[in-house]
Amino acid sequence: GENVEQHPSTLSVQEGDSAVIKCTYSDSASNYFPWYKQELGKGPQLIIDIRSNVGEKKDQRIAVTLNKTAKHFSLHITETQPEDSAVYFCAASMIQWGTYKYIFGTGTRLKVLA
Amino acid sequence: DTGVSQNPRHKITKRGQNVTFRCDPISEHNRLYWYRQTLGQGPEFLTYFQNEAQLEKSRLLSDRFSAERPKGSFSTLEIQRTEQGDSAMYLCASSSVLDENQPQHFGDGTRLSIL
Repeated sequence: GENVEQHPSTLSVQEGDSAVIKCTYSDSASNYFPWYKQELGKGPQLIIDIRSNVGEKKDQRIAVTLNKTAKHFSLHITETQPEDSAVYFCAASMIQWGTYKYIFGTGTRLKVLA
Repeated sequence: DTGVSQNPRHKITKRGQNVTFRCDPISEHNRLYWYRQTLGQGPEFLTYFQNEAQLEKSRLLSDRFSAERPKGSFSTLEIQRTEQGDSAMYLCASSSVLDENQPQHFGDGTRLSIL
């Protein structure tokens, strides 16, 4: 079955710097890759997603890149702010013909230092 | 759009007791998912429904676990004879076939603590 690895497990950056979180997946049939932000005591919140037929997607300060050949995808946050501090999860899924279940990575705790 | 609602938010119970959680998905979302999240880990898939039909169950869902979605709207997850290892956050998510990519929207979960 699908397996998703996520690195690093913790990441500290200065406010205004960029942060990059990387994930790899094992099943080449996975075709949808969402990223979630989870704050303490809350459920995961979708922040950006990408389909396998797209190499990059950007939404303001957040971008995601996908390398299908290498089976890895990354989250990029630019101009980080203290409110970006949270745990971030990547996930992989097969949609349209799959079961739609998400296989999550183990999370990255991002700390933005003011 | 009021979001996915889960009740209760916290449940503390003694080992061996039965517990039931409720999830109200976003209105008109036809898919509903249950995940379990332990401390420091990502959510793990348990089961999912399309309307009232339960279409997939994970190996994690032992015989002590049962989920229902009787009218294709809200869902319940019951754990019988709870064990220490059941302590976790139980998350519910919903999605709609009408949304591009059908992203899953999560509730804030029910935190279960077994004494």
